[in-house]
Amino acid sequence: GAGVSQSPSNKVTEKGKDVELRCDPISGHTALYWYRQSLGQGLEFLIYFQGNSAPDKSGLPSDRFSAERTGGSVSTLTIQRTQQEDSAVYLCASSLTFGTGKKLFFGSGTQLSVL
Amino acid sequence: TQLLEQSPQFLSIQEGENLTVYCNSSSVFSSLQWYRQEPGEGPVLLVTVVTGGEVKKLKRLTFQFGDARKDSSLHITAAQPGDTGLYLCAGAVSGGYQKVTFGTGTKLQVIP
Repeated sequence: GAGVSQSPSNKVTEKGKDVELRCDPISGHTALYWYRQSLGQGLEFLIYFQGNSAPDKSGLPSDRFSAERTGGSVSTLTIQRTQQEDSAVYLCASSLTFGTGKKLFFGSGTQLSVL
Repeated sequence: TQLLEQSPQFLSIQEGENLTVYCNSSSVFSSLQWYRQEPGEGPVLLVTVVTGGEVKKLKRLTFQFGDARKDSSLHITAAQPGDTGLYLCAGAVSGGYQKVTFGTGTKLQVIP
């Protein structure tokens, strides 16, 4: 596609339910990032994919969070047993792998609200 | 963990005024970027600086990378309402895959 696509754009769920957030990166971009943003603040790094592998998952807040990427393309971020503190905007970005100061292209995010 | 602190956190100014936003860290970065984010959208890259002391200009916006590559500033001349948004700095360290760490953000409002 022309840009990074994320779905759903909004998700309202009840505490304790599982949710899946999807990211479709720009075709040909081998690097994929997930970030979390609370209340218009800065971005909190969650996980990085290079192809289908995740060499850096250091930002995942707990074992309730997991992510996978298949075919070097689409990625899914899963949050199990959601808690109210999980409420935030989840942003996905993709980029070419190499080069100094590589440009990240972001999707519009998924606004997650846990009631 | 590479922390990037931005100041000020919030800024509300009148159209036509000048402003400067700062991005500071104790870590050295191989490159530093500035992004702007509007409500309901993802951040969009404005500029990348890679050399200590580098200055880049983008119309009314001037970006500078500190000599030691630990800090950066964004200066806007004669701010316009269209400049309103959340400004984010982002640093990448050399080696590995160059993890990109984002700053705490500066929310700018330009009042007509």
